[in-house]
Formats: sequence, structure tokens, C-alpha cells
Amino acid sequence: GAGVSQSPSNKVTEKGKDVELRCDPISGHTALYWYRQRLGQGLEFLIYFQGNSAPDKSGLPSDRFSAERTGESVSTLTIQRTQQEDSAVYLCASSVRVSWGGDTQYFGPGTRLTVL
Amino acid sequence: AQKVTQAQTEISVVEKEDVTLDCVYETRDTTYYLFWYKQPPSGELVFLIRRNSFDEQNEISGRYSWNFQKSTSSFNFTITASQVVDSAVYFCALSEAGGSYIPTFGRGTSLIVHP
Repeated sequence: GAGVSQSPSNKVTEKGKDVELRCDPISGHTALYWYRQRLGQGLEFLIYFQGNSAPDKSGLPSDRFSAERTGESVSTLTIQRTQQEDSAVYLCASSVRVSWGGDTQYFGPGTRLTVL
Repeated sequence: AQKVTQAQTEISVVEKEDVTLDCVYETRDTTYYLFWYKQPPSGELVFLIRRNSFDEQNEISGRYSWNFQKSTSSFNFTITASQVVDSAVYFCALSEAGGSYIPTFGRGTSLIVHP
């Protein structure tokens, strides 16, 4: 079946503008995760959803970042008043559930965000 | 708290060489899961393997093999007869059954295979 998809694949924006990044998880996956990966760096956890609730928002770097999810499907990560330091690849992953620690995450291709 | 260390930042080999990527982890949980992912230049992380803490058997999949040793808290990954297509960043990750549901990823090891 289809994997995790993300759109857009690339986004170039000007400092101060808002951006929305979209993630479509694998059908049937109740858990969804957002990560940020700066150039040459590892994965930085941002937020995860179980269904449409987000029990853990501790990774969001500032109140300019927010995310929502509709049911057990699409999620949107919004960054308001973008800064140059927000430039990174934003990765989305999904898994069957998050009720235990051993779930395998399947990743999308990412959205490369460049803030000029 | 869980922690994953991939001490090798970058490894460069010539095609057909064997190469081992190290992963050392820390956890206080007795039940945990270890993962390896491959991130080729295209950027998408590809799942390679998941291993639970109760299964210390080594695993082989084609040219890939994994050596899990609880005594040294290591989960190393070996590629035999490396190929140019193996060039990628490889991430090791750990998640605890009793703790945070979010895996902790190592910083990754960049493998460059030269023809």
C-alpha cells in the first residue's frame, strides 16, 4: 500500500511568513510523529499524535510551532512568523499505534523548508 | 533516561570492503526495542530492522547483519562487501516499553562507499 506522503516536498519562504506542512500517514496507522532534521544533524522530535490528540507537545521549539491532526489521518504542522533558524527538513512518520514502545515508525520523504 | 550513541560520525570505505557501524545505548528499562534506519541521499528514512531486548540472536539479511550484545549495550550493524548504493546516513534508535513512546535516535553515521 501507499507509504507516508508529505507535501510540499520543498518550500521556500520569506522570513516572517507562515507556512503549513502536510503529512498523510499510512492508512490504519493511529500514531503520527513530526521530526525536524537540520542539515547534517540527527532527528529532533517535535510532537506526536495518538489519533487526533497530542499527549506530548514538549518537543515544539517555540509557540510559533503548532500541529493538528484530523481524526487518524492528515496532520498539518504550522510554523508562524518563520525565522531563518527554522530552515530544515521536516519529517513525518506514522506507526500502527503508540501504546507501547516497540512500534516501528515509517517515514515520509520530508519537506525541505528554506527561510530566506 | 534513554540514550543512543553513534560515535562514528563518518566512515569512508572502498567498494567490497566490510564495514561495521557502532551503536551503544543506555536504558534503565528491561524491555526495550532497538532499530536501525537508512537515510539515502534522497532523504527518506528506510526502516531496516527492529530487535527487542529479549532476543539476542544475531540477524543476517543478505549483506546486512546485526550483532546485539546486552552485556556491552551495543547493537552494531555490519555491511559485508559494501556497494556504492550503501552510501547513506544510518541511524540507530531505542525505545523503552515502559517509558516514553518516542524513540531516541542517535546522531547518525554517514557511510561513504567509493567505487
